Amino acid sequence: AQSVTQLDSHVSVSEGTPVLLRCNYSSSYSPSLFWYVQHPNKGLQLLLKYTSAATLVKGINGFEAEFKKSETSFHLTKPSAHMSDAAEYFCVVSDHGNYGQNFVFGPGTRLSVLP
Amino acid sequence: KAGVTQTPRYLIKTRGQQVTLSCSPISGHRSVSWYQQTPGQGLQFLFEYFSETQRNKGNFPGRFSGRQFSNSRSEMNVSTLELGDSALYLCASSSPGLAGGESWAKNIQYFGAGTRLSVL
Repeated sequence: AQSVTQLDSHVSVSEGTPVLLRCNYSSSYSPSLFWYVQHPNKGLQLLLKYTSAATLVKGINGFEAEFKKSETSFHLTKPSAHMSDAAEYFCVVSDHGNYGQNFVFGPGTRLSVLP
Repeated sequence: KAGVTQTPRYLIKTRGQQVTLSCSPISGHRSVSWYQQTPGQGLQFLFEYFSETQRNKGNFPGRFSGRQFSNSRSEMNVSTLELGDSALYLCASSSPGLAGGESWAKNIQYFGAGTRLSVL
């Protein structure tokens, strides 16, 4: 069975400082991993995905994530936070153990960006 | 290309009623998944449909059901509404590969803006 742990429910950073949102996963198979962002009253937008190619994945809006199999981690980073990054971030794991889509979402991390 | 469209955006119902939510996937996408999002439980998978067949089902009671039409549009129905059914219901579509297995997991899910259901 798959599971996702997002170690921080809330992260607060100052504008212009680095962002680190932590994610650890558990999966019985070779997983695909995703980060989605949700702005208030909006749907979910894909930031980036890992699907067994390069372990360092670049996404939109300057975000990146590194897949570390030995640590079962897929942390999301950004060198310099912007006010518009304030949102809820979800780490997602999906494997092919079941036929069909089977996304498991983490509980989310709320990112606040202070001026 | 139009995105995933969910209707209605907002809905208010009373306990015991039933409700039907609609989702139109991105053109060409044949897989539609439904999720329930609440502050307490987060995002939980309800079910997934592909080519009018339910492929996967989450751990929800039988009051939650769905279907998919030949044009890939999907509906979700909740019968005998309870207060705890108040949530944001999200629909996502994707375009799976021809084969099952790993190709399924790699496909990106594109989400609609959701339907916010309030049960009074």
